[in-house]
Amino acid sequence: GAVVSQHPSWVICKSGTSVKIECRSLDFQATTMFWYRQFPKQSLMLMATSNEGSKATYEQGVEKDKFLINHASLTLSTLTVTSAHPEDSSFYICSARDWIGGDEQYFGPGTRLTVT
Amino acid sequence: EDQVTQSPEALRLQEGESSSLNCSYTVSGLRGLFWYRQDPGKGPEFLFTLYSAGEEKEKERLKATLTKKESFLHITAPKPEDSATYLCALRGDAGNNRKLIWGLGTSLAVNP
Repeated sequence: GAVVSQHPSWVICKSGTSVKIECRSLDFQATTMFWYRQFPKQSLMLMATSNEGSKATYEQGVEKDKFLINHASLTLSTLTVTSAHPEDSSFYICSARDWIGGDEQYFGPGTRLTVT
Repeated sequence: EDQVTQSPEALRLQEGESSSLNCSYTVSGLRGLFWYRQDPGKGPEFLFTLYSAGEEKEKERLKATLTKKESFLHITAPKPEDSATYLCALRGDAGNNRKLIWGLGTSLAVNP
């Protein structure tokens, strides 16, 4: 149980283009999903918290117009990196909390984004 | 300010050599302390949640314990497949209490 998927697992795009990453909870409903990015040999950095049907809450320093988050259903959240630049290259990971309860976050496998 | 500090930063063990990883924390009100395992290039895998001092949880070769100031992840007779980065995180009462405060992790290598 508590499986979270992400798609794509890796993507290469050209500078100036936009990239969409999907995060799905496969066997549970998630009212809250989280988006992180992780640089090599560093810990997780929370970018935003997304609640189904409402606007995401972004962490300080994260540009909401650049990292668009949509949480349209209890099993799907998307992160769109708009007008990507090489400095946006990173490992993006989503997580989800079970609707029924429990405080644990269950993580997807991550998406490696490379902007050339 | 809620804070999590993990030690050591890196640990190398021989197969079968038991040891412990430390997670020290400061928090205004603890709502949960979490242990995760992360393999390179993958998302973290949930291991344990601890809520109150004195609580212990076990899973195979791993046992997590909690006091009012720190948590330990004990690894008994580790195997090479236990090699990974182990992350500690907590939820506190302050601020956005849906988010987790993360430590930097302990990178564990178990040699055969």
